[in-house]
Amino acid sequence: KAGVTQTPRYLIKTRGQQVTLSCSPISGHRSVSWYQQTPGQGLQFLFEYFSETQRNKGNFPGRFSGRQFSNSRSEMNVSTLELGDSALYLCASSPGQGNNQPQHFGDGTRLSIL
Amino acid sequence: GQQVMQIPQYQHVQEGEDFTTYCNSSTTLSNIQWYKQRPGGHPVFLIQLVKSGEVKKQKRLTFQFGEAKKNSSLHITATQTTDVGTYFCAGRWSGGSNYKLTFGKGTLLTVNP
Repeated sequence: KAGVTQTPRYLIKTRGQQVTLSCSPISGHRSVSWYQQTPGQGLQFLFEYFSETQRNKGNFPGRFSGRQFSNSRSEMNVSTLELGDSALYLCASSPGQGNNQPQHFGDGTRLSIL
Repeated sequence: GQQVMQIPQYQHVQEGEDFTTYCNSSTTLSNIQWYKQRPGGHPVFLIQLVKSGEVKKQKRLTFQFGEAKKNSSLHITATQTTDVGTYFCAGRWSGGSNYKLTFGKGTLLTVNP
């Protein structure tokens, strides 16, 4: 079974631009979560989607948004990029929603802001 | 919001020595998960603990959940170079948005062969 696929793997943008990252979950998984990983702050939860609905949201500004499609694929968008948005963005999928689900992570998209 | 505090931040050991990382929450957790992230890789799920006082073993790894469900530990016996990586705990609390998985800052383990 294929794992979680994230595209692109690397991205370079400049301040003020916007970016869209994509995540394809493991086949059959319906829950997708997004995390930001930086050396200083560690792994921080962005949001979780299940059945095309945002179920949970972390403490990030409104510039960070996401959505989930009917095939469970998910995208996250960051608008008006800032230098501090440089990070590894990780997507994780799990079979369903609930508090006993292990997260299966993709390799991430490394975003660099110049 | 809820947080899990994880210590130590770094640990360097000689191969064959033991290693322990600790996680603590100020309030009772619903459950706690442990992940390992190799350098340049992504977090990989190791185990989940749900019950008070639970102890689980995976070969040389022993995971414990405290009686009050506020703390947890991961102990590795006789470390090997393959154990190198960052170990994260991730907790969930009951109720609404608390179900989101909150990660500790991680413990970076390096092993000297």
